[in-house]
Order: sequence, then C-alpha cells, then structure tokens
Amino acid sequence: GAGVSQSPSNKVTEKGKDVELRCDPISGHTALYWYRQSLGQGLEFLIYFQGNSAPDKSGLPSDRFSAERTGGSVSTLTIQRTQQEDSAVYLCASSSGLYSYEQYFGPGTRLTVT
Amino acid sequence: DAKTTQPNSMESNEEEPVHLPCNHSTISGTDYIHWYRQLPSQGPEYVIHGLTSNVNNRMASLAIAEDRKSSTLILHRATLRDAAVYYCTGGPGGGTSYGKLTFGQGTILTVHP
Repeated sequence: GAGVSQSPSNKVTEKGKDVELRCDPISGHTALYWYRQSLGQGLEFLIYFQGNSAPDKSGLPSDRFSAERTGGSVSTLTIQRTQQEDSAVYLCASSSGLYSYEQYFGPGTRLTVT
Repeated sequence: DAKTTQPNSMESNEEEPVHLPCNHSTISGTDYIHWYRQLPSQGPEYVIHGLTSNVNNRMASLAIAEDRKSSTLILHRATLRDAAVYYCTGGPGGGTSYGKLTFGQGTILTVHP
C-alpha cells in the first residue's frame, strides 16, 4: 500500500514569508508525528496527533510553528515569518496507534529559507 | 529522554555480520530501545525495538545488555543496501516521552562489495 507522502519535496522561501508543509499519513493510521532534521543534527520532535485527542505540541520551537490535522488524516505544518534557522528537512511519520512502536516516515520536505 | 552514544562510523564487507553498538546508560525502566536507519535522501526506516529480551525480526537482531545500559544491533549478513545511518534511541516508552523519537548523530555504516 501507499506509504506516508509529503509535499512539496523541496521548498525555498524568503525570510519572513509563511510556508505550509503537507503530510498524508498511511490510511488508517491514527497517530501522526512531525519532526525536523537539521544538517548535522539529529531528529527533533515537534508535535504529534493521536486520534481525536488534543495534540502534544511540546516540541514546537516557537509560536511561529503550528500544525493541524483535518478529519483525522491529512496534516499541515505551518511556519509563519520564516527565519533562516528554520531551514531543515521536515519529516512526517504515522503509526497505527499511540501504542505502536513502529513509526513510518515520509521522505520529508527540505525547507530552505534565504 | 535517554541520551545515547554511538560510534560515528563503521565499515563492513558485504555478506559479513555487522554489530552496531549503542550506549544508553540513562534509559528509564519503561523506555524501549529502538533502532531506525536512514538511507540518503529518505526518511528514517524502523528496524527493530526491544525492552529487556533479545529480539529478532526479518531485518536484524537486537541484543540488549542485562542492565539495559547498552544494546547491539546485529545485521547477520550485510548487503550494499544496508549502507545507511543507524540510529538507536530510548523511547517511546511510558510517561510523557511516549511517541516522541529523538535521534542523535547515529552511526554511518559503509558496506564494501
């Protein structure tokens, strides 16, 4: 079946602009996660959604970052007033439930802020 | 989150076994040990996880030390497709860390033909 898909694959934006990154999880997966991976850095957790529960936003680095998940499926990560330090690969993952230990990752969106 | 330490890089020859070590001395009693790998320009891929007992699956084996302060990922016969960055992490387990993977720098595995 189809895996996790993300769009766009690459995004170049000017400092100060807003960007939206999209994630389509695996059908039927109730848990969805956003991470980012900066050059030379490890994986940094941002936010996760589980079913209809309130999302865990504890990893969002600032109030310029927000995410929503509509209809329990597609999710959008929005970064407002982008800064150069926001440049990174943004990864989305889904799993069959919060208590599933296997997360399936998408290919990521490479964001470059100039 | 448990802090993990892995060698920066390792090399292997094709069809030979590879043992990738990881130290996680601060892991909590409820945190699972997870291994993921990441091929160039791809998202991470789940490899295996375990809590206390050694684990086997179609991809690899996971040997967990009795004190849980370290583990070893074993690829029984390395192939060129196994060349990737391998990450070990403690969690998600119980409590507020649930669902939140955190990777360090990982080990770059090079497989020679």
